[in-house]
Amino acid sequence: KAGVTQTPRYLIKTRGQQVTLSCSPISGHRSVSWYQQTPGQGLQFLFEYFSETQRNKGNFPGRFSGRQFSNSRSEMNVSTLELGDSALYLCASSLGDLAGGQETQYFGPGTRLLVL
Amino acid sequence: GDSVTQMEGPVTLSEEAFLTINCTYTATGYPSLFWYVQYPGEGLQLLLKATKADDKGSNKGFEATYRKETTSFHLEKGSVQVSDSAVYFCALLYGGATNKLIFGTGTLLAVQP
Repeated sequence: KAGVTQTPRYLIKTRGQQVTLSCSPISGHRSVSWYQQTPGQGLQFLFEYFSETQRNKGNFPGRFSGRQFSNSRSEMNVSTLELGDSALYLCASSLGDLAGGQETQYFGPGTRLLVL
Repeated sequence: GDSVTQMEGPVTLSEEAFLTINCTYTATGYPSLFWYVQYPGEGLQLLLKATKADDKGSNKGFEATYRKETTSFHLEKGSVQVSDSAVYFCALLYGGATNKLIFGTGTLLAVQP
């Protein structure tokens, strides 16, 4: 079974631009979560999508947004980029069955974003 | 709020040495606990997990036991290899209405031949 894929792997943008990152989950997984990894703040939860709806959101400004399509693929968008948005953005997929208590998230390789 | 505390790194060991990376957590309920590993330039790989007290997760020679009484999930391996050099993250997932993983700060392990 193919793993989680993320595109692109690397991006260089300038301040003020916007960027869109893509994530394709493992087949059959309906939940996609996004995380930001930086040396200073570590791994932080951005948001989670399940069945095309945002189910949870972390503590990030409104410049960070996302969506999920009917095939469970997800995109995240960052508008008006700032230098501090430089990070590794990781996507994780899971079945999405929160009530079952057995959720396990599987991560993609990440998109490394550099903002100049 | 919920949190995870990991021992500071880097941890430097010789090949075949015994490894322990400490992890303790704070949570209001009974979370699932995970260890993820990150190799240079890559994403996170699930190493092992435990979903309830006294469960032992194991994989590739690594083990960790979910200890509710000490709120700990320490990672151990009997004999490390150079290929185990990576950053190790302890994480918790609090069940219920959220799929949000809470991570520790990560521990860099360097194994020397």
